[in-house]
Amino acid sequence: GQNIDQPTEMTATEGAIVQINCTYQTSGFNGLFWYQQHAGEAPTFLSYNVLDGLEEKGRFSSFLSRSKGYSYLLLKELQMKDSASYLCASSSGAGSYQLTFGKGTKLSVIP
Amino acid sequence: DAGVTQSPTHLIKTRGQHVTLRCSPISGHKSVSWYQQVLGQGPQFIFQYYEKEERGRGNFPDRFSARQFPNYSSELNVNALLLGDSALYLCASSRETGTYEQYFGPGTRLTVT
Repeated sequence: GQNIDQPTEMTATEGAIVQINCTYQTSGFNGLFWYQQHAGEAPTFLSYNVLDGLEEKGRFSSFLSRSKGYSYLLLKELQMKDSASYLCASSSGAGSYQLTFGKGTKLSVIP
Repeated sequence: DAGVTQSPTHLIKTRGQHVTLRCSPISGHKSVSWYQQVLGQGPQFIFQYYEKEERGRGNFPDRFSARQFPNYSSELNVNALLLGDSALYLCASSRETGTYEQYFGPGTRLTVT
């Protein structure tokens, strides 16, 4: 089976750091994705983790622990434009990437 | 390069009707996946196609079908529409099935009345 859990909403202050957690239970797991989705728009790719550890990409970092079925997305130096939904997705399927998405975490950045 | 394109942008249908949604992947991309996103939820996987063959299918009824054409564009068909089919339908393309990065199109907003 496939199950993804992440908080529904979070609020953080401009300039601060926020961590969005995600837990997953996925058969045939082969990687963990994070996408950003602004209201009314398509999801855009942020990160992909297949091995345990931290992947850093500018202000965004993503962490994966396969043994714990746990990931987080870390956003630093928050900007107002970071207000969006952040979708955690696990992938499965040999040689393919069929994504199972969580419900998304709506992040509101306040001044 | 143009991104993933989808048509139409918006669509209103009546219960029981049939609908066809279209997707053109990024040039050079051979794999297309379809997702359904109900308001307030994350996208749900419907189908994945690669080189005109179905490579994966999500937990959707047989009313949902799809196909991929020789130019790698794709169609999603939904028969006997239900009110619950109202959603944003997203298409995502990737270069190969073994390539992790998927690029999403803007989606088609389907409303069933």
